[in-house]
Amino acid sequence: GAVVSQHPSRVICKSGTSVKIECRSLDFQATTMFWYRQFPKQSLMLMATSNEGSKATYEQGVEKDKFLINHASLTLSTLTVTSAHPEDSSFYICSARGGTGVTEAFFGQGTRLTVV
Amino acid sequence: GQNIDQPTEMTATEGAIVQINCTYQTSGFNGLFWYQQHAGEAPTFLSYNVLDGLEEKGRFSSFLSRSKGYSYLLLKELQMKDSASYLCAAMDSNYQLIWGAGTKLIIKP
Repeated sequence: GAVVSQHPSRVICKSGTSVKIECRSLDFQATTMFWYRQFPKQSLMLMATSNEGSKATYEQGVEKDKFLINHASLTLSTLTVTSAHPEDSSFYICSARGGTGVTEAFFGQGTRLTVV
Repeated sequence: GQNIDQPTEMTATEGAIVQINCTYQTSGFNGLFWYQQHAGEAPTFLSYNVLDGLEEKGRFSSFLSRSKGYSYLLLKELQMKDSASYLCAAMDSNYQLIWGAGTKLIIKP
């Protein structure tokens, strides 16, 4: 299957600082990227969907000014958690799809964010 | 509304067979996915069904009934490494994945 690389895998930051998470599709062009958050023992919660070159579509309840998403190219999307707080500590996962219609979603390795 | 239901947790014995069920309600339907997720890791793709019937892939098989809004994942010859969460996801008419909460599968020796 295709490879999606997510970096960093783990990050600890101080409350009030910002953290950037990168998601790269290594061997295909990701027309659509999805950002998920997963709390312990819970399923994936979609935060936002981004299409290359356009603004991300955020799910209800997700603050777009706090979770900045940039999808500037067909191989890179970034999620920036601004002014992080301890309640933002979670597992963040990106997934990417190429083309249109029904295609498998490939996941990055995930980023464990801990805000202290 | 859109909804995916699957059991929270199941326990099975090494070498046995286990079936994980999933029911779904979505606005339109473009297929049903199963993913495996080990603790602390991202999900990995297992199967995709869009037509009724059983798809077999090694020890894992997936079944779909569109008329019943029902799918199951069948795992045979269970191994300890199969201990993981199994996520069911249905794709709606907008090609968005609607995720279930996942079924934690515990394998006992």
